[in-house]
Amino acid sequence: DQQVKQNSPSLSVQEGRISILNCDYTNSMFDYFLWYKKYPAEGPTFLISISSIKDKNEDGRFTVFLNKSAKHLSLHIVPSQPGDSAVYFCAASGNQFYFGTGTSLTVIP
Amino acid sequence: NAGVTQTPKFQVLKTGQSMTLQCAQDMNHEYMSWYRQDPGMGLRLIHYSVGAGITDQGEVPNGYNVSRSTTEDFPLRLLSAAPSQTSVYFCASSLTDNEKLFFGSGTQLSVL
Repeated sequence: DQQVKQNSPSLSVQEGRISILNCDYTNSMFDYFLWYKKYPAEGPTFLISISSIKDKNEDGRFTVFLNKSAKHLSLHIVPSQPGDSAVYFCAASGNQFYFGTGTSLTVIP
Repeated sequence: NAGVTQTPKFQVLKTGQSMTLQCAQDMNHEYMSWYRQDPGMGLRLIHYSVGAGITDQGEVPNGYNVSRSTTEDFPLRLLSAAPSQTSVYFCASSLTDNEKLFFGSGTQLSVL
């Protein structure tokens, strides 16, 4: 039973435009949410996180939004760059980390 | 700065063979964990440890053993490999069990 879901397996965006990656979760007890980026043949690397006491966190081109009532978080990348092409995983923390299935982002030059 | 080091990067086993995937971190992290990544399944937790001498099961522990004799090392043992264990394995560590994870580069395991 997947507690963290990423319903879009893939996303293509033009360079310079906004990329929006979505994530839904089922457990209202989750209190910490993270996004990871993964290139082929490498391990996931931490991108940005947000605590459940906040609804937005920014780091440069990356912003994460949290909607607790909808149990939904999203990652916005503005502007998107070709180097952003990777698989993005969202994760939620309760007594352990639960990961989504990933969204493969392709940024087209 | 090595971070989390996993060996080997690739391994092919025959059904029934045993092996150990090695994981070491040099960040003095208390929390270490093993995940497997399968297509369409995301990352699933196999076993984790909150400190030396302490281990616990994750979501998919069957067929795997772990031990944590030092803070730095957290090996994952496959006792009798099965084709269902064909996967990419990632070791991860963090300061505590509710902080961001740092991942190794992964081990691609095929069981024939």
